[in-house]
Amino acid sequence: SQQGEEDPQALSIQEGENATMNCSYKTSINNLQWYRQNSGRGLVHLILIRSNEREKHSGRLRVTLDTSKKSSSLLITASRAADTASYFCATVSYSGAGSYQLTFGKGTKLSVIP
Amino acid sequence: NAGVTQTPKFQVLKTGQSMTLQCAQDMNHNSMYWYRQDPGMGLRLIYYSASEGTTDKGEVPNGYNVSRLNKREFSLRLESAAPSQTSVYFCASRQPLAEPTQYFGPGTRLLVL
Repeated sequence: SQQGEEDPQALSIQEGENATMNCSYKTSINNLQWYRQNSGRGLVHLILIRSNEREKHSGRLRVTLDTSKKSSSLLITASRAADTASYFCATVSYSGAGSYQLTFGKGTKLSVIP
Repeated sequence: NAGVTQTPKFQVLKTGQSMTLQCAQDMNHNSMYWYRQDPGMGLRLIYYSASEGTTDKGEVPNGYNVSRLNKREFSLRLESAAPSQTSVYFCASRQPLAEPTQYFGPGTRLLVL
């Protein structure tokens, strides 16, 4: 079963506005990652936040993590048309022998209108 | 440095046919993964290989087999394709002894009629 659930499923904003996507999960995690998928392409890693971190920044991206509420949010500031993509959160669990498994949510489809 | 490559990019099969999806990475990664993505869904793990010589089932392994041919290559085989296996298949790999970030290939679109 899928661990993360993104909200909203779809989001449409004007260029220059901020976009916020939320992710909720069910069980304890080691860390949480956000990935981006352009239409017809593979996923690209954006940012990782550890379970002992509350906030992390990378360029125009800001990720928060609230382990007490089992939720995370991804904020994209000053959005651009090129940010149009689907965004997925993925919870990370250790599966032994040095291997990690990612469990993905269903994603938020972001459309940035020029 | 091509990253993760997958072949073919697109394939149409008839029910009952077999095929092998190929994946290769040139980043010296130990772990490799196969996922499927269905419309409106996130990725679901089919099989993974923590290191050369080992493979393990993921969330949805039924109907699939895998082979970790060497450190670079990890193939996914459908022995008898079914319409329910129509999906986009992604291969991914991960750096050894590093963050659990995965690097994805461009995907293989499979249509089973």
